[in-house]
Amino acid sequence: NAGVTQTPKFQVLKTGQSMTLQCAQDMNHEYMSWYRQDPGMGLRLIHYSVGAGITDQGEVPNGYNVSRSTTEDFPLRLLSAAPSQTSVYFCASSYLQASGSRHEQFFGPGTRLTVL
Amino acid sequence: GQQVMQIPQYQHVQEGEDFTTYCNSSTTLSNIQWYKQRPGGHPVFLIQLVKSGEVKKQKRLTFQFGEAKKNSSLHITATQTTDVGTYFCAGERAGGTSYGKLTFGQGTILTVHP
Repeated sequence: NAGVTQTPKFQVLKTGQSMTLQCAQDMNHEYMSWYRQDPGMGLRLIHYSVGAGITDQGEVPNGYNVSRSTTEDFPLRLLSAAPSQTSVYFCASSYLQASGSRHEQFFGPGTRLTVL
Repeated sequence: GQQVMQIPQYQHVQEGEDFTTYCNSSTTLSNIQWYKQRPGGHPVFLIQLVKSGEVKKQKRLTFQFGEAKKNSSLHITATQTTDVGTYFCAGERAGGTSYGKLTFGQGTILTVHP
């Protein structure tokens, strides 16, 4: 199993450009999520999905879109990049327990994004 | 919204000293998870605590979940250079329809001097 994969590893954008960060998992996990990590602020949830066709907003969703057409893939789209979106982005996946609580999250290696 | 505060933000220790990081939630948690992130790496799951007052050990690491399920701690005995990294707690809010959303603390960056 490859686990959680993310592409690209590094990306530099100019303000106003759009792009898609790719995330895929081969563990058949229902739950997938996107986080951004900034110094001193931990991991902040951007968007998440509890299954194919279902997505919802997290703590910092503005400027980002997601879709979940398959169980495996959960791409994150930046609509019009801004310098404030310079960050490290992590995708994660996990099982959902019957109670709705989550098992451990498996994180991808991350995408380091710089917006000039 | 739910807030999870983690202290200290930084901790520098000499190899062999103990280390503790604390996590406090503004709301009651159904469970709390701990992760470790090595420099330049991604977070890796360490453990999940579910029960009030629960204590779990992994070799030199001891994890505690408070009686009120609003706080937690991670204690490392006799640190080693391999313990270097950022330690995060992540809490899942009790009740509601949070669909298992986790709120992460800010993390504690541990440096170990040989």
